[in-house]
Amino acid sequence: KQEVTQIPAALSVPEGENLVLNCSFTDSAIYNLQWFRQDPGKGLTSLLLIQSSQREQTSGRLNASLDKSSGRSTLYIAASQPGDSATYLCAVGSGGTGTASKLTFGTGTRLQVTL
Amino acid sequence: DTGVSQDPRHKITKRGQNVTFRCDPISEHNRLYWYRQTLGQGPEFLTYFQNEAQLEKSRLLSDRFSAERPKGSFSTLEIQRTEQGDSAMYLCASSRLTLNYGYTFGSGTRLTVV
Repeated sequence: KQEVTQIPAALSVPEGENLVLNCSFTDSAIYNLQWFRQDPGKGLTSLLLIQSSQREQTSGRLNASLDKSSGRSTLYIAASQPGDSATYLCAVGSGGTGTASKLTFGTGTRLQVTL
Repeated sequence: DTGVSQDPRHKITKRGQNVTFRCDPISEHNRLYWYRQTLGQGPEFLTYFQNEAQLEKSRLLSDRFSAERPKGSFSTLEIQRTEQGDSAMYLCASSRLTLNYGYTFGSGTRLTVV
């Protein structure tokens, strides 16, 4: 059974700092890994999708890496801003054919960026 | 592409009542998924459809839960005889049937059972 762990559970940083969020998973047989952002009481917004054959993906100030063999992914946020404050969820895609039929989520890292 | 739509956004119901939620996926997406999220936890898989066929159901989906996608377009999730433990955010997502395509989630339906 796939298990996903995210560390730290919560993080508070001053504006402008670079930061790294960590995600680990137990079963390396995955289709892909997706990072999401969730604001309080809202749905999930997709940030980055890394296919199992890829090592990293970048979008603006965000960079996500994937090391499938060690079961780890990191999300790097450069020059953090107060608007980045949210919960960040890591989800591993597995099962099915063609594309992942199931996402297994971690419990998230709650990020607060202070002025 | 109007995104994944869920209705209603919020639902408060008394214990024992039945509730139904609706999800409209992105039109060209073959797959539709339901997840449940409780406070402080990540979403948990409930079930998914490929076109109109329901291909997998989680053990979390008790006999009181039923999901349909009758024409391979929108989907409904019904909970019968609601219990307080059913209180959660119910999230719908959709995706293409293309290798390594990511998911797009809706805004969710927050259910409170009183």
